[in-house]
Amino acid sequence: QKEVEQNSGPLSVPEGAIASLNCTYSDRGSQSFFWYRQYSGKSPELIMSIYSNGDKEDGRFTAQLNKASQYVSLLIRDSQPSDSATYLCAGVYNYGQNFVFGPGTRLSVLP
Amino acid sequence: DTAVSQTPKYLVTQMGNDKSIKCEQNLGHDTMYWYKQDSKKFLKIMFSYNNKELIINETVPNRFSPKSPDKAHLNLHINSLELGDSAVYFCASSLKVLGIQYFGAGTRLSVL
Repeated sequence: QKEVEQNSGPLSVPEGAIASLNCTYSDRGSQSFFWYRQYSGKSPELIMSIYSNGDKEDGRFTAQLNKASQYVSLLIRDSQPSDSATYLCAGVYNYGQNFVFGPGTRLSVLP
Repeated sequence: DTAVSQTPKYLVTQMGNDKSIKCEQNLGHDTMYWYKQDSKKFLKIMFSYNNKELIINETVPNRFSPKSPDKAHLNLHINSLELGDSAVYFCASSLKVLGIQYFGAGTRLSVL
C-alpha cells in the first residue's frame, strides 16, 4: 500500500465553487500533515499544515484531519482560475524518520 | 533576496559525466533536503541533513552524494550520470526536522 494516496485528477470545478481535495495515508502513527501547491514548472509552496484532528482555516482554505480514518482533506472556497495547480499532500512518517509526498491532484478551475 | 537558491537552474549533460548542484538557504534553518521529481511529477525525498549531519538517506544509487559544508549549504554531486537521472531536483529547508519546508526553484537535469 502506498504511504500517501491522492486522486490524480484532473479535478475540474467552476469558478466560485468549492474544490475538495482528499488524501489518505497508511501510517497510523503519522502526526504532521501538509498541503503544498505546485504550479506547472514551479516549486511546491506551502498552503497549510495540520497536526490535530479537526479543521484548520486560513482564508479561503480549510484543512481537515481525521486520524481515526487516516485522511486529510483540503477545501478551497470561492475557487479562482489562479487556484489551478497540482496540490500535494505530504506527511511525516515512520515515527518522524521520513517525509512522504502523495502523487498530487491536478485542479482545474474553469472561468 | 531568494530564501532557498539552487544553481544551476538548467543542466544538460551527456551520459557518464559527473555534475554538481548547489543549494543555499538564508532562512537560518537547521535542516535541508534534496528531492527528485520525475517525469510523472512524483516528488520523492532523497536526503536530509540537520546541522550538517545526514539524517535521511533514502534508497538512492550511491552515485548520488550529498555534502553539507555548513548548515546553510547542501550540495548534490552525481557521478556517472544515467538517462534515468533526468528529472527536476529540488532543494528545500525547514526550521526543524521534517517541519514546514521551503523549496528552491529547482534544477532541471537532462541527461542525453
